[in-house]
Amino acid sequence: KAGVTQTPRYLIKTRGQQVTLSCSPISGHRSVSWYQQTPGQGLQFLFEYFSETQRNKGNFPGRFSGRQFSNSRSEMNVSTLELGDSALYLCASSLRLESNYGYTFGSGTRLTVV
Amino acid sequence: GQQLNQSPQSMFIQEGEDVSMNCTSSSIFNTWLWYKQEPGEGPVLLIALYKAGELTSNGRLTAQFGITRKDSFLNISASIPSDVGIYFCAGRINYGGSQGNLIFGKGTKLSVKP
Repeated sequence: KAGVTQTPRYLIKTRGQQVTLSCSPISGHRSVSWYQQTPGQGLQFLFEYFSETQRNKGNFPGRFSGRQFSNSRSEMNVSTLELGDSALYLCASSLRLESNYGYTFGSGTRLTVV
Repeated sequence: GQQLNQSPQSMFIQEGEDVSMNCTSSSIFNTWLWYKQEPGEGPVLLIALYKAGELTSNGRLTAQFGITRKDSFLNISASIPSDVGIYFCAGRINYGGSQGNLIFGKGTKLSVKP
């Protein structure tokens, strides 16, 4: 059974650019959550999608957005990149929305903004 | 926002020693999860706890959901080199029927000396 797949694994972007990250959940999982991980702040919740709708949102500016497709795949977009957006972006999937049975994480996309 | 206080921040131990780490919060949680993250990978779920007082084991790992529902601990017995990694606690706050986002502690970095 394939795990959560995130692409690309590494990305280098210039300040001011925009970026799109992709996440394919485990087959059958309908919920996809996104987290930003930095050494200083740890894992910070960005948003959770279920059935193509954003159901929960963390405290991030509007430059961070996402969407989910009918096949449950999800994309995350960050516009007008800032140096502070450099981080590991993790996607996690679960069967249900706000699952209490834990999430399965992908290996992440390492974004570096220069 | 809500925070989980995880301690210690890091541990340097000898192979064979037992390890203990914990998480506390000022809010009541209805779920506690413990994850391990290795370099270059996403967090992997180790143990999930759902009831106050619940004690659950997974091999050499044992975790407990505190009676007050505001804390949890993770113990690792007879540590081995492959236990190296960052351990995260995560939990959901009980909003009286509705679920909050999954919140993560800042992690405990474990180093094991052979």
